[in-house]
Amino acid sequence: DQQVKQNSPSLSVQEGRISILNCDYTNSMFDYFLWYKKYPAEGPTFLISISSIKDKNEDGRFTVFLNKSAKHLSLHIVPSQPGDSAVYFCAAQLASGTYKYIFGTGTRLKVLA
Amino acid sequence: DSGVTQTPKHLITATGQRVTLRCSPRSGDLSVYWYQQSLDQGLQFLIQYYNGEERAKGNILERFSAQQFPDLHSELNLSSLELGDSALYFCASSERGMGGEQFFGPGTRLTVL
Repeated sequence: DQQVKQNSPSLSVQEGRISILNCDYTNSMFDYFLWYKKYPAEGPTFLISISSIKDKNEDGRFTVFLNKSAKHLSLHIVPSQPGDSAVYFCAAQLASGTYKYIFGTGTRLKVLA
Repeated sequence: DSGVTQTPKHLITATGQRVTLRCSPRSGDLSVYWYQQSLDQGLQFLIQYYNGEERAKGNILERFSAQQFPDLHSELNLSSLELGDSALYFCASSERGMGGEQFFGPGTRLTVL
C-alpha cells in the first residue's frame, strides 16, 4: 500500500518556465512533509518542507503548497533552471509516536535549455 | 557534502552471504535512519535509531538488523542475502529524533549475484 504517491514518473519543462511536481498521500495522520532532490550517484538532499498546520512555504525559487482536504502537495519551481534537472521525492512523516518517513517513488524532472 | 559518510561505496557478494554496511552521521546528529532503494522504486524506510536506541521500524526484513553504537555510528547487517536484496542502501541522520530535515549519505550499492 503506497501511502505517498507521485503519479508522474517524469516531467520536462523549458528553462525559465514553472515546474510543478505533485504528490498525493492517503494517511491523514501525516503531519510533516518534505521534498528532496536527488542527482545520480548521490544521496537525496533536502529542498523544502511544510508542516501540516500551514498551506504554503516558500524558499527562493521553491514553493510547496499543501492542500489537506485533498491530501495533496505540490512543489513549484520558478523559474526552472537546467541545474534543477534531478529526481524529486516527496516524503511524509507520521508523527504519532513512530516518526517514520514515507517516501514517494520520485519524479524525474528535466529542464530543457 | 552532507557530512554523512557511508562505507563501502560498492559491494558485490553472492547469495546466502552476510554483509555489513556502515554509516557515520553528521557531527552532533543523534538520529540515524536506513533506507533501501531498489531499481525504479522510491526510498523504503527500514529503521531509525536515536542516541543508541531503536526509535522506529519500517519494512525491514528479519534477515536484516541494525544497531547504533555509543559513538553514534550505525551498522546495517544483511544476512542470507538474496538476489532481490540488490539495491542502493542509504543512511541519513538528523539532529533530533523527530521531524525535520534528514541529511543523506551517498549510499552503498549492493549487488547480490
